[in-house]
Formats: sequence, C-alpha cells, structure tokens
Amino acid sequence: ETGVTQTPRHLVMGMTNKKSLKCEQHLGHNAMYWYKQSAKKPLELMFVYNFKEQTENNSVPSRFSPECPNSSHLFLHLHTLQPEDSALYLCASSQVMSGSYNEQFFGPGTRLTVL
Amino acid sequence: AQSVAQPEDQVNVAEGNPLTVKCTYSVSGNPYLFWYVQYPNRGLQFLLKYITGDNLVKGSYGFEAEFNKSQTSFHLKKPSALVSDSALYFCAVRDMVVDSSYKLIFGSGTRLLVRP
Repeated sequence: ETGVTQTPRHLVMGMTNKKSLKCEQHLGHNAMYWYKQSAKKPLELMFVYNFKEQTENNSVPSRFSPECPNSSHLFLHLHTLQPEDSALYLCASSQVMSGSYNEQFFGPGTRLTVL
Repeated sequence: AQSVAQPEDQVNVAEGNPLTVKCTYSVSGNPYLFWYVQYPNRGLQFLLKYITGDNLVKGSYGFEAEFNKSQTSFHLKKPSALVSDSALYFCAVRDMVVDSSYKLIFGSGTRLLVRP
C-alpha cells in the first residue's frame, strides 16, 4: 500500500446528496491531485494543488469542489451529481521542486456510484 | 500538446514467456515518460520512469522499458511473465510545467492477461 489513503473506499449517493471524498498523504509531498477514472476512458486529471494553491482546474463542472487545507490533505466536495459522474476517483501526491521529475503516488481510490 | 498512445487494449501471454506492452509518445521537447500498473480495486503503482540517460530503464517487479527516440516509443517489457503480472498498465508523459508543478497525461491503458 502506498502512503496515500482515501476515504471512503466506496460511496453510493443520490443526485441530491452532498458528500465529500477525503485524501491524506503521509509522504511529506507538496503537490496533490484529483483524477477521475471511468470505464473505457483514459484517466482524467481534475485538479492540481501545489503548495496548497490550486494550479489546475481541468474544466471540471462546479458540482465538484476541491479543498486543500494543508499540503497533506485534499478533499473533493460533491453536490447534485449526475449518474455519469459515477467513476473511480483517485488522489495522488508528488514532491515538486524546480527541475525535478518525481513520480506521483496514488491512493486506492473511491468508487463512486450516483443513483 | 503532449500525448501517449497505447495501441493494444489487451495483451495475452503465457506464463514464463516474455511480454511487451507498447507505448508511443508525441511531445515537444524532451520526453519524460512513466509506466504505472493498476491491480483490481487498487490505485496506480509506479513502475519506472525515463528522464534521461540509458535507453533501457529498469523498474519494479522485474519490469524494464526501452526508450527509442527515433520510433518515439517507450515499450514496457519483462523477460518472463508471471500470472500475478495480470493487471492494467498505463503509460504516461509529463505535460508542461506550470508554476513548478506538472501533470501527467495518461494513455488509455493496456490490460495484460498472463495465463498459467
């Protein structure tokens, strides 16, 4: 298991619910990422946080709202989702320094089902 | 824009035989290439990366990858496949740097099935 944990591992929610996904990294990294993995589609980068500042929002609908209170924690707040948002949501972290090319470490993911 | 392509949805190989999972890339500038593996119900695990140097890169679990600049390829290889290698494999390329961070562009994935 990597040093990135995600909770919950499975989530079923209705379209009117509000829920949050949590990610925590224990690796001392300074960058965190949210990805969406749907069946038959490549991994989609959603958000990037570098030193707690959001540096990338990859045209993600506003029903997904990220929060990064510190460099170890990352949340994804969900509200009024659609069934097509059902997917595996992966969190990752990496150590970013100028000129570095470090790999990203992934959590196990949250399997989200929207009814 | 940077991109990677994995032309095979699935690769089938018998245990003990060599395996190759293909990846080609398109980048502007120097390529920074990665391979990840995903086991069922798990996140992605890093296998290896090419930044510069030797064209043959060795990684985890006995895997290696060969960087070929003229063919713009970065194929993943293993001399002798194990049933436990059966998983989903992703090739990735680093995209442009923004504010000292970077993002990975992933291929569509190749499912490797190793039969006993």
